[in-house]
Amino acid sequence: DAMVIQNPRYQVTQFGKPVTLSCSQTLNHNVMYWYQQKSSQAPKLLFHYYDKDFNNEADTPDNFQSRRPNTSFCFLDIRSPGLGDAAMYLCATSRGGYPYEQYFGPGTRLTVT
Amino acid sequence: GENVEQHPSTLSVQEGDSAVIKCTYSDSASNYFPWYKQELGKRPQLIIDIRSNVGEKKDQRIAVTLNKTAKHFSLHITETQPEDSAVYFCAASSGSGDKLTFGTGTRLAVRP
Repeated sequence: DAMVIQNPRYQVTQFGKPVTLSCSQTLNHNVMYWYQQKSSQAPKLLFHYYDKDFNNEADTPDNFQSRRPNTSFCFLDIRSPGLGDAAMYLCATSRGGYPYEQYFGPGTRLTVT
Repeated sequence: GENVEQHPSTLSVQEGDSAVIKCTYSDSASNYFPWYKQELGKRPQLIIDIRSNVGEKKDQRIAVTLNKTAKHFSLHITETQPEDSAVYFCAASSGSGDKLTFGTGTRLAVRP
């Protein structure tokens, strides 16, 4: 029944070693989002795709990239993780085009050593 | 861009009492206001939402009110239970509806 799936659930990477987080959805939603959430803070939007249209937030560091090869999958690439990038990364989806609920995945907790 | 302020940051209530969390937003074009509940280590989950053409919405023990003129909306939880303990986030949509701006969160503790 999982609707938004994230893999892996826990990821440990070394300082400066590239890492990729994945998200898939079975809802056939047009919009996919990547959020960064640090402890006791609100989710912070990094970027989102409306279909294949990529929308980057102005304050998202260049170190973060994303790919959406098809409707179902979206990837978050962190090119050179720093200690400050340790966080929970949440993927979400929405139908798009009108304010609709965002469905969140379970998140990937990233640790940088 | 949109700015959402949320108060209080922490709230402790006795089981059975009511809890109220308030949010204000800045963009008068915002038209969708969801509330998410996030338990420790889990994903945010929508508990109730309201659109700008409605002033109040209720779902069992949870209600949301919206004052468009004052640009604020509130979450009301009645007859609180220990399982209501979590962090609650309000949010407001951008004009197109594709993006949400979240408030800073309220940590609610319900004392048995």
